[in-house]
Amino acid sequence: NAGVTQTPKFQVLKTGQSMTLQCAQDMNHEYMSWYRQDPGMGLRLIHYSVGAGITDQGEVPNGYNVSRSTTEDFPLRLLSAAPSQTSVYFCASSYKESYEQYFGPGTRLTVT
Amino acid sequence: AQSVTQPDIHITVSEGASLELRCNYSYGATPYLFWYVQSPGQGLQLLLKYFSGDTLVQGIKGFEAEFKRSQSSFNLRKPSVHWSDAAEYFCAVIQNAGNNRKLIWGLGTSLAVNP
Repeated sequence: NAGVTQTPKFQVLKTGQSMTLQCAQDMNHEYMSWYRQDPGMGLRLIHYSVGAGITDQGEVPNGYNVSRSTTEDFPLRLLSAAPSQTSVYFCASSYKESYEQYFGPGTRLTVT
Repeated sequence: AQSVTQPDIHITVSEGASLELRCNYSYGATPYLFWYVQSPGQGLQLLLKYFSGDTLVQGIKGFEAEFKRSQSSFNLRKPSVHWSDAAEYFCAVIQNAGNNRKLIWGLGTSLAVNP
């Protein structure tokens, strides 16, 4: 199993550009989520999904969109990048009945 | 509101010394508690978890943690630290509000290991 994979590992965007961070898992996990990690602020939940076709907002959803068309994939879309979205983004997944989340290696995003 | 506090932002220990990282939580119900480790430039890896039962839990890499309800603590320990243990350590508690299996995170403790 590859576990949770994220692409790209690094990305630089200009303000106003859009892009999609990819996340995939091969463990047939129902639950997937996106976090951002910022110095001094820990990890904050952006969006999550409890299964294909079902998504919901976390604590910092503004400026981000998600969709879940398959169990395996959970892409995060930045609609119009802003410098405040400079961060490290982590995708995580778990079984619906488990509280143990598995994390991807992260995507480091810089918005200039 | 639920919260997790890691009082020590940064800790330095010598290789071979014992280690204790502190974690305090604020949560009304029985908490589900976790310790994760993040090596530089890497994702987060689960070290151990407590859901119920024995309050002393064993994890990977020789780590253990003890749940103390009376002190609202879940401190992480290791009897002898290795240089490869230098990393960021995060304590977290689950807030299981319906489908939102939200992890409440501490801000982390950065561990440096002197040779």
